[in-house]
Amino acid sequence: GAGVSQSPSNKVTEKGKDVELRCDPISGHTALYWYRQSLGQGLEFLIYFQGNSAPDKSGLPSDRFSAERTGGSVSTLTIQRTQQEDSAVYLCASSFSGYGYTFGSGTRLTVV
Amino acid sequence: TQLLEQSPQFLSIQEGENLTVYCNSSSVFSSLQWYRQEPGEGPVLLVTVVTGGEVKKLKRLTFQFGDARKDSSLHITAAQPGDTGLYLCAELQGGSEKLVFGKGTKLTVNP
Repeated sequence: GAGVSQSPSNKVTEKGKDVELRCDPISGHTALYWYRQSLGQGLEFLIYFQGNSAPDKSGLPSDRFSAERTGGSVSTLTIQRTQQEDSAVYLCASSFSGYGYTFGSGTRLTVV
Repeated sequence: TQLLEQSPQFLSIQEGENLTVYCNSSSVFSSLQWYRQEPGEGPVLLVTVVTGGEVKKLKRLTFQFGDARKDSSLHITAAQPGDTGLYLCAELQGGSEKLVFGKGTKLTVNP
C-alpha cells in the first residue's frame, strides 16, 4: 500500500485479556519498528525487525510483550494479560534504509 | 544511551509570531531527524540534517544543526494554526537503524 497501515485504530480491553495489534508496512521496506507513546510523552522504542536478522527486542518492557513479523512483511504485536499501565498509543513504522521512517496512525489501546 | 532533550516542552503562541524550538544531546549526533506529529496521527518526517553547521529550509521552517553536532534548532516564521502539533527530534542510535526520540515540543498556534 501507499502507507503504513495499523489495525485496529482503537482497542478497549479488560485488564487481564490478551490483545493483538497489527501493522502492514510499506511494500519493499525491510525494517519495521514498534514504538509506544503514552499521553504527553515521547516515543518509547519497543522492538525492531530488519530483514531476516534476529529482532532487536531490547525495548520490550516485560515478557508479556512479544512481536513477530511474518514473511518479512506484516507484523503483530501481542500483549498478554494486559495491565492498565499498558494503555497508550502503539505506533508502527517502516523504513528502507533507516533514514526516514514512515509511521502508521497508531492503535490507541485502553485497558479498563 | 544518548539522551535527547527538547525545549520548551510546551509553547502556545498567536498566529503570525515567530518561534524556535531546540534539541540537545549529551553526545555528538551522527545525524538528526525532525518530525511533526498531529493529533491522532503518527509522526511525519520533516527533515534530516547530517553535517555540522548545516541549515535546511522547508517553506517557513528553518532547521539548523550545530557546528559541534550536539544541538539542533527548528525556527518557524509567521506561525500558522496549521503548524500546531508535537515536534520531535530523533537520532539513530550508534551503529544501528533504531531511532531514539526526544519527548517533543507541543506547539499550539492560536488564530
